[in-house]
Amino acid sequence: DAGITQSPRHKVTETGTPVTLRCHQTENHRYMYWYRQDPGHGLRLIHYSYGVKDTDKGEVSDGYSVSRSKTEDFLLTLESATSSQTSVYFCAISGGTGGAYEQYFGPGTRLTVT
Amino acid sequence: AQTVTQSQPEMSVQEAETVTLSCTYDTSESDYYLFWYKQPPSRQMILVIRQEAYKQQNATENRFSVNFQKAAKSFSLKISDSQLGDDAMYFCAYRRGETSGSRLTFGEGTQLTVNP
Repeated sequence: DAGITQSPRHKVTETGTPVTLRCHQTENHRYMYWYRQDPGHGLRLIHYSYGVKDTDKGEVSDGYSVSRSKTEDFLLTLESATSSQTSVYFCAISGGTGGAYEQYFGPGTRLTVT
Repeated sequence: AQTVTQSQPEMSVQEAETVTLSCTYDTSESDYYLFWYKQPPSRQMILVIRQEAYKQQNATENRFSVNFQKAAKSFSLKISDSQLGDDAMYFCAYRRGETSGSRLTFGEGTQLTVNP
């Protein structure tokens, strides 16, 4: 299994509070991604990073920001959490040597905004 | 924009039998990759199989194989000799091929139940 961890694994927070989710990889992969998973939608890309300090928006980026100050860490921040951001969040990595650059996923973080 | 459609929200199969999950996609690109991911109740996303669009030969990984019809933009997953451990949500995904960092576009998923 690819060395990807996410923290926290579960979080309950109140509407309006800031929340930061962390993704940590030990694979030295160049690309990192944040997805959210909701029933009926599969996984949708929030933001991604193609290198340290290089990030870009995905299809559902409103209300989210990201940062990547080190190759191994990719942070997702909800500046002011809303109930619509209740979801399961997955981090993924890609950019290893060879192959079709498959994406490997972390274990997910279940976030509940009350 | 690319889209991926899985028209079967739920499927069921008897243990030891064969089942096929459907996936269609829409793209104007000629270079791309297709994937099937499995998500068991643990929630972990597990890569099952991949197909390069430039390859005519269908990919196979043990009991898992695909039927890739490029002209029809169809990418189905066949699971042979189904096992209880195959009970999971299955996602079809598409990726453009021009850079290694391209994002994945997922279908909505098919929940597969394997009956003993």
